[in-house]
Amino acid sequence: KNQVEQSPQSLIILEGKNCTLQCNYTVSPFSNLRWYKQDTGRGPVSLTIMTFSENTKSNGRYTATLDADTKQSSLHITASQLSDSASYICVAKRGNTGKLIFGQGTTLQVKP
Amino acid sequence: ETGVTQTPRHLVMGMTNKKSLKCEQHLGHNAMYWYKQSAKKPLELMFVYSLEERVENNSVPSRFSPECPNSSHLFLHLHTLQPEDSALYLCASSLTSGGDNEQFFGPGTRLTVL
Repeated sequence: KNQVEQSPQSLIILEGKNCTLQCNYTVSPFSNLRWYKQDTGRGPVSLTIMTFSENTKSNGRYTATLDADTKQSSLHITASQLSDSASYICVAKRGNTGKLIFGQGTTLQVKP
Repeated sequence: ETGVTQTPRHLVMGMTNKKSLKCEQHLGHNAMYWYKQSAKKPLELMFVYSLEERVENNSVPSRFSPECPNSSHLFLHLHTLQPEDSALYLCASSLTSGGDNEQFFGPGTRLTVL
């Protein structure tokens, strides 16, 4: 079954701290993986996209990693800011149909 | 902003009402999508339009009726909805419906069915 599982479901950290969000996928055949950030009351915005041949990609303080062998991805946030409070969604794309398989998201709250 | 707008942003309706959600994209894209986002659940793809033609319908109840009059506009007509239809409805667009084209999302319409 094509699925994307994210952990933890929610996370609270203090401003300035780092954190890592996890994503496991069972999508096959695999095409690419995206991380989206969704602020409350807004639509998702793409942070990174990686194909199976890419191991890491950065976007400012956000760094995504991908291990296509273990089918795992992570999103690392460095020196968190209050504006990082949002839901982070992992999305895997199937290679044959082009369908996007969405994870349920991790809700991050950054406290001062 | 992403270049995709949705109206209204919030909608409360009774089960016997008829209403419509509107989406407009200013990106010159040829593909548009409707998604449903319920609390604590992954986004669910509802409909896909490519060049104004519906190319995907994911077993969505007939009380949801999409309309794509041109490549810039997408509507979702609602009638006799159920309380479990309450959710955030997101519109998205991409250059084409295939390939690795990124989807750009609108801010969504928060729908509450009483």
